[in-house]
Amino acid sequence: EVRLVESGGDLVQPGGSLRLSCAASGFTFSSYWMHWVRQAPGKGLVWVSRIYNDGSSPRYADSVKGRFTISRDNAKNTLYLQMNSLRAEDTAVYYCATINPALDVWGQGTTVTVSS
Amino acid sequence: QSALTQPASVSGSPGQSITISCTGTSSDVGGYNSVLWYQHHPGKAPQLMIYDVSNRPSGVSDRFSGSKSGNTASLTISGLQAEDEADYYCSSYTGSSTYVFGTGTRVTVL
Repeated sequence: EVRLVESGGDLVQPGGSLRLSCAASGFTFSSYWMHWVRQAPGKGLVWVSRIYNDGSSPRYADSVKGRFTISRDNAKNTLYLQMNSLRAEDTAVYYCATINPALDVWGQGTTVTVSS
Repeated sequence: QSALTQPASVSGSPGQSITISCTGTSSDVGGYNSVLWYQHHPGKAPQLMIYDVSNRPSGVSDRFSGSKSGNTASLTISGLQAEDEADYYCSSYTGSSTYVFGTGTRVTVL
């Protein structure tokens, strides 16, 4: 079964850090670019970041540039999102996804809440 | 990286056709044929309905179709069914090698 499972979401104070993980199974993880997408409460989907299949060329939305870092470990079939200097507006459900017409897979999301 | 503009809501009766617009700029929708459409039921993972402006992934009903003119892409749902009630998002590749989603449209089946 093709699957993505996010973890690492938590309640964190403003200015804090968190690392999200996304475990892939059932497909050749190392062949696909991977993305993080988030959805704040009551709001729409927002693209956050992307990384090539070989771990190169990360790209970020302006809203997280300089604070978030995307990475992957193809040997562990795992995608990561290191989030630093968190703000209240980063509160959201974070999804990892392939966003690929050949194999479009999304996880169920992990919740990040930034609040004091 | 401004979000693509979609109507907040669109509604229709069963059997009718509805169209959702997605307006961007020449740096995203107008500049690339990499427009996607997702269906999102709250609490579930988004499902890809259209890719590359007008192509349907395997398993997606042919009641869903996509098109583009200039900086505006459109998703048409024909023969509207109760199960089509969901949020719909467009997405486009951009000139800065990033991606952008639309503001989202809530489809209601009357």
